[in-house]
Amino acid sequence: GAGVSQSPRYKVAKRGQDVALRCDPISGHVSLFWYQQALGQGPEFLTYFQNEAQLDKSGLPSDRFFAERPEGSVSTLKIQRTQQEDSAVYLCASRPQTLSQETQYFGPGTRLLVL
Amino acid sequence: GENVEQHPSTLSVQEGDSAVIKCTYSDSASNYFPWYKQELGKRPQLIIDIRSNVGEKKDQRIAVTLNKTAKHFSLHITETQPEDSAVYFCAASISGSARQLTFGSGTQLTVLP
Repeated sequence: GAGVSQSPRYKVAKRGQDVALRCDPISGHVSLFWYQQALGQGPEFLTYFQNEAQLDKSGLPSDRFFAERPEGSVSTLKIQRTQQEDSAVYLCASRPQTLSQETQYFGPGTRLLVL
Repeated sequence: GENVEQHPSTLSVQEGDSAVIKCTYSDSASNYFPWYKQELGKRPQLIIDIRSNVGEKKDQRIAVTLNKTAKHFSLHITETQPEDSAVYFCAASISGSARQLTFGSGTQLTVLP
């Protein structure tokens, strides 16, 4: 079946612009995660949704970052007033609901470059 | 919170040799340890995982070992092939409702033909 998809794949923004990144999880997956991956580093957790509820946003680096998943499927990560330090790959991952299913399936990421 | 350290950061091996990547974690509550392979510009893909109630798991040329007492786990790749060249990430998951992954910093594996 189809995997996790993300769009756009690449985004160039001028400093101060707002951006919106989209994630389409695997159909039926209840859990959805956003991670930020800086160049040469491992992904770092940003936020977690269970259906439409945002249960953990402890990894969001500032109040300029906002995520939503209003209908429990597609999610959007919004970054307001982008800064150069926001340049990174933003990865989305989804996971089935059952406790025995630990595997997170990742999307291809959105590479954001802030100039 | 959880902290995962990964070594080495780069590893070069001759085709056919074995490769070993090691990770340590800080939180004894962690109970799930996946390994992801990420090729340049591609998504991370799970290659093997292990849970804390198991000490070792093997899948063809890939194996993972876990030492809960020492809080470290390792990835072993035998008979390496050029297509094994990629960045490998270890991760740990703390029990809880979110179970988000905490990743190591990655190991760039290069298999020389």
